[in-house]
Amino acid sequence: DGGITQSPKYLFRKEGQNVTLSCEQNLNHDAMYWYRQDPGQGLRLIYYSQIVNDFQKGDIAEGYSVSREKKESFPLTVTSAQKNPTAFYLCASSPSGSSNQPQHFGDGTRLSIL
Amino acid sequence: AQSVAQPEDQVNVAEGNPLTVKCTYSVSGNPYLFWYVQYPNRGLQFLLKYITGDNLVKGSYGFEAEFNKSQTSFHLKKPSALVSDSALYFCAVRLQGYGNKLVFGAGTILRVKS
Repeated sequence: DGGITQSPKYLFRKEGQNVTLSCEQNLNHDAMYWYRQDPGQGLRLIYYSQIVNDFQKGDIAEGYSVSREKKESFPLTVTSAQKNPTAFYLCASSPSGSSNQPQHFGDGTRLSIL
Repeated sequence: AQSVAQPEDQVNVAEGNPLTVKCTYSVSGNPYLFWYVQYPNRGLQFLLKYITGDNLVKGSYGFEAEFNKSQTSFHLKKPSALVSDSALYFCAVRLQGYGNKLVFGAGTILRVKS
């Protein structure tokens, strides 16, 4: 079945450490997105990519970085500059950046601080 | 600014009774509206969308939503609630001119009691 795979499911970060969250999709979608979910705040967009080798900052990009070297992969790095990284991170994809089709979501990675 | 509001943090309903989860929006131009559901520690699942056409939209699992342009609302409804409907529900609006970017409401917890 086609879908989005996020790994790991749980991740722990030490002070000063960068960590990378994986997102892989086999839906052949052009566009991919990273969201951060905090209780009571809904989802906030971190970065998005409408095509390979291109990405744009979302609303809360500071302290995060991404790459889009392959169509199916959109990894997110949480850098040490992100002072409050504890959250649930969700990756999504859609057929294209201008589609009316809904975004499809992975099952998330929960990041905590040690 | 384009935004979505879900005025209720939580909705409680008895099994078998009708349910409504409210959503209002503020966008420029024609709105593209979505409802998603999230179960604990899972990603978001698409329920239904309004792009154009009939104001009453039918979706997955017996859910429907009514688009009301004059009241700028897109309330989610179900005629008869199930205990298994208990989850977190998000309303979202697609931003015009920004690809397929979505702005999400803060979410509403639905609790259905038997």
